[in-house]
Parts: sequence; C-alpha cells; structure tokens
Amino acid sequence: KAGVTQTPRYLIKTRGQQVTLSCSPISGHRSVSWYQQTPGQGLQFLFEYFSETQRNKGNFPGRFSGRQFSNSRSEMNVSTLELGDSALYLCASSLTGQRNTEAFFGQGTRLTVV
Amino acid sequence: DQQVKQNSPSLSVQEGRISILNCDYTNSMFDYFLWYKKYPAEGPTFLISISSIKDKNEDGRFTVFLNKSAKHLSLHIVPSQPGDSAVYFCAASAPGANNLFFGTGTRLTVIP
Repeated sequence: KAGVTQTPRYLIKTRGQQVTLSCSPISGHRSVSWYQQTPGQGLQFLFEYFSETQRNKGNFPGRFSGRQFSNSRSEMNVSTLELGDSALYLCASSLTGQRNTEAFFGQGTRLTVV
Repeated sequence: DQQVKQNSPSLSVQEGRISILNCDYTNSMFDYFLWYKKYPAEGPTFLISISSIKDKNEDGRFTVFLNKSAKHLSLHIVPSQPGDSAVYFCAASAPGANNLFFGTGTRLTVIP
C-alpha cells in the first residue's frame, strides 16, 4: 500500500511569508502527527490530528497551525516565517494515534527560510 | 528542555561487531520507549520498542535494554552490517499522551 506522502519535498520562502505543507496519510489511518526536525533539537512534536480534531499540541507558537480533512489528509501552516523555522517537517500517520500502534513517517518537507 | 538525550552524535563500528547506541531521559513519567532508524532523504522508520514493565526486548539482531532507575536505555545491534548505517533516534512517551519525545539522534557508520 502507498506510504505517507508529503508535498512539496522542498520549499524556499522569504521571512514574513506564510507556507502550507501537506500530508496524505496511509489509507485507513486516521491519526496524523507533525514534527519539526532541526540539527540541534532532533524531532519536536508540533501537533496531532485525529478525525479532523486537534487532539494534542506541542510547545510551538501560534504561528504554527494545522488542520485535518475528512479524508484524513492534513495540512500544516506557518505564518510570518522566521529564519529559525528552517527545518525538515515530518508527518507521521497511524491507525489510531495510540502510542502502541506504529507510526509511519513521510519523507518530509525541507523548508528553507531566507 | 531536551527530555530525551542522545549524547553521542556519531558512532563507527566494524562490520560484524556490536553497535551500542545510548539514550538517557529525564522525565520519570515516560513509560514507553522506541527506536527509529532514518536513512538520508527518507522519514524515520520504526525499529523496536519497549514498555517500562520490561527491561529487555529483542527482535532479531536488535535488542533494547531499559534501566529505569538510571533513566537509560540502549540499543544493541549484533552483528552490525553496513546496511545498518543510518541515524538512530530514541523516543519516549508518557501515559495518556500519544506524542513522542525524540532524542537528537546518533549517526551510526558500519565499516565493511
């Protein structure tokens, strides 16, 4: 079956702009989580959506937001981009999002803010 | 504040020998731990997990050991193979929360 698909793979934006990233989970998976990966911080949890509802949120400013559609596809939006937002953004899908169910990661979207 | 720490950014091991990757955590509420492997240009893939009710879990060449009193876990790969060369992340979660706290990763290089 198809894996987790993230688009676009690479993105260059200017400070102050906003950006939307997309994640299509594995068919049948209802939970989508987003992580930010930076060299010094590892992967940090942004938020998790389940059945179109944000179920869990990490410690990121309100500039980072997301949503999930009825087909479980999810989008992540970052407004007023800052240089420090440059990172690899990963999404992970799982059947239920419960921690004993395996999460499958996409290849990520590499965002560069200049 | 990094609640899961991998203090070795890199590790090199000869093929056939044992690779030991270490991970420390600070949050005593963590009770479920995972290891992920990441190749360049790919997302992390799940490798092995362990619940805090156990102190060891084995899956083929991979074994994870958990020392709750020391808040330390380790991943042993025996024997190491060149295809194991990747970045390894440990992760942890607490009861009632389904998000993962990741370490910063250790790059393992297995030398043929």
